[in-house]
Amino acid sequence: GAGVSQSPSNKVTEKGKDVELRCDPISGHTALYWYRQSLGQGLEFLIYFQGNSAPDKSGLPSDRFSAERTGGSVSTLTIQRTQQEDSAVYLCASSLVGDPNYGYTFGSGTRLTVV
Amino acid sequence: GESVGLHLPTLSVQEGDNSIINCAYSNSASDYFIWYKQESGKGPQFIIDIRSNMDKRQGQRVTVLLNKTVKHLSLQIAATQPGDSAVYFCAEKGDAGNMLTFGGGTRLMVKP
Repeated sequence: GAGVSQSPSNKVTEKGKDVELRCDPISGHTALYWYRQSLGQGLEFLIYFQGNSAPDKSGLPSDRFSAERTGGSVSTLTIQRTQQEDSAVYLCASSLVGDPNYGYTFGSGTRLTVV
Repeated sequence: GESVGLHLPTLSVQEGDNSIINCAYSNSASDYFIWYKQESGKGPQFIIDIRSNMDKRQGQRVTVLLNKTVKHLSLQIAATQPGDSAVYFCAEKGDAGNMLTFGGGTRLMVKP
């Protein structure tokens, strides 16, 4: 697609439920990144994919968080047994590895609220 | 770069004045730097970039300055407008791997 698409844009869930957040990167972008942004704060790195593999999972805050990417395209971030501290905006970005103009393109994010 | 998770510093400027947003980066081997702008409810958007073989680059109303000696990056916005109100992030790309490392962000507020 023309940009990075994330869905849903907003999600309200009850504490203890599982949620799935979806990211559809720019077509052809081989690298995909997930970040978390709490209210009024900076970007917290979660996980990075190169193709379908995740060389860097160091930012996942607990084993309740997992992510996968299939077909080198769409990625899903899953949060199990959600807690109130999981409330944040979850941002996805993609980039074309090897492009000398190396910036990420971000989606608009999914705002997750755990009640 | 600054630690993530801290509350954002804020810069407040009068409409029409010039703004300067600063960033200290961490890796002396970083070779590429980017400034992003994030408006409320949106993802960060690319503003301007600079490579390490340059010390200044200009765009439309924006200028990025790079001082590699002290590992400092700044974003200058000329004639700041209300539409410039946003959070601004710097990012650096190191000499190994494909990751960008983001600074903690600065909130710019423009007073009419």
